[in-house]
Amino acid sequence: NAGVTQTPKFQVLKTGQSMTLQCAQDMNHEYMSWYRQDPGMGLRLIHYSVGAGITDQGEVPNGYNVSRSTTEDFPLRLLSAAPSQTSVYFCASSQIMNTEAFFGQGTRLTVV
Amino acid sequence: SQELEQSPQSLIVQEGKNLTINCTSSKTLYGLYWYKQKYGEGLIFLMMLQKGGEEKSHEKITAKLDEKKQQSSLHITASQPSHAGIYLCGADNTDKLIFGTGTRLQVFP
Repeated sequence: NAGVTQTPKFQVLKTGQSMTLQCAQDMNHEYMSWYRQDPGMGLRLIHYSVGAGITDQGEVPNGYNVSRSTTEDFPLRLLSAAPSQTSVYFCASSQIMNTEAFFGQGTRLTVV
Repeated sequence: SQELEQSPQSLIVQEGKNLTINCTSSKTLYGLYWYKQKYGEGLIFLMMLQKGGEEKSHEKITAKLDEKKQQSSLHITASQPSHAGIYLCGADNTDKLIFGTGTRLQVFP
């Protein structure tokens, strides 16, 4: 029972580099989302998707891109990493809105 | 946009003591979730409240959604070291799930 799987767990990037954080779920959930967690700021929504082919912006979308070509996968792309993107990133999925969301273990990203 | 404010931000209690964490919304709550996060790990779902006045319990943790549906409280009875972590409230905001600022709980023997 894998649930929500995020890779990598840790990553160090240089300013200006690009990378993709992977998120996959095996529960056939329609709803998926990406959050970042900074000290003292809880979780802030970056992008979310209500189904394959549909994505939308959250509270802090700048500097990030997403796509949802399949129900299972929801990758998050950093186009040109900046030190302000140093954070812990969480991916979550749920069957529909108004139900329990399942979270991955997080990706700790450091941009130097 | 809707905002969730949690209080206190941080809490240090002695094992065995009771404690309460509050979550206040800037708008009416239609679905309120409580999650727990152990340090360095993902979030674990605790419970969900939907109706004003609703109260749910799981082991020694009780959560309640007030009648006016703009505040929720999480109460832990006889705290244990296993209760330590970050507690986050979340709410359904149209088609998004948003979170509060979090409360860091430490329990010492």
